[in-house]
Amino acid sequence: QKEVEQDPGPLSVPEGAIVSLNCTYSNSAFQYFMWYRQYSRKGPELLMYTYSSGNKEDGRFTAQVDKSSKYISLFIRDSQPSDSATYLCAMSSGGSNYKLTFGKGTLLTVNP
Amino acid sequence: DADVTQTPRNRITKTGKRIMLECSQTKGHDRMYWYRQDPGLGLQLIYYSFDVKDINKGEISDGYSVSRQAQAKFSLSLESAIPNQTALYFCATSEGLEDTQYFGPGTRLTVL
Repeated sequence: QKEVEQDPGPLSVPEGAIVSLNCTYSNSAFQYFMWYRQYSRKGPELLMYTYSSGNKEDGRFTAQVDKSSKYISLFIRDSQPSDSATYLCAMSSGGSNYKLTFGKGTLLTVNP
Repeated sequence: DADVTQTPRNRITKTGKRIMLECSQTKGHDRMYWYRQDPGLGLQLIYYSFDVKDINKGEISDGYSVSRQAQAKFSLSLESAIPNQTALYFCATSEGLEDTQYFGPGTRLTVL
């Protein structure tokens, strides 16, 4: 079993839809959770960061972590064509490890 | 100006050639990383460095070497390039306990 599993998609939705992106993981030591957005031919950029369980909201984006189920989600409300990108989840155990474990990414297309 | 820069942005080379990819950062972070990204495989860690005197192999270091010339500079070398090293290469930096990483724009390398 891979440490982090992410459905690669592709996912295609109409403009204005609510999008749900998800990752599952197996390492119970993970406690820092991130979502990165990567536009075509660009580097990943940090979108959301969450420590431990719970929700975090930033504008149209909500990150949710359920450590008991080892499941994290990113919700995008009122999706826009500019949200079309690959979304990567990433997580770490903290401490002196200083490395991230990434999902393979989900390709999202929002159609006008 | 970008916080993490990579040069060159695109490079086409031939099998057997030595290639150096360079990364510079103005973020003042101690930790720097080199990744390669292939379609369907996600981000794979090649090498990482926690400071100028500390360099570590990642998941896929064979065929690659690195040099940390200064806190702000981290170079990746392919001693004798081969076609399956054709990929998108990213440099990243991080600091703090949560391990959030900040990526450069990437170098697209093609080995013929």
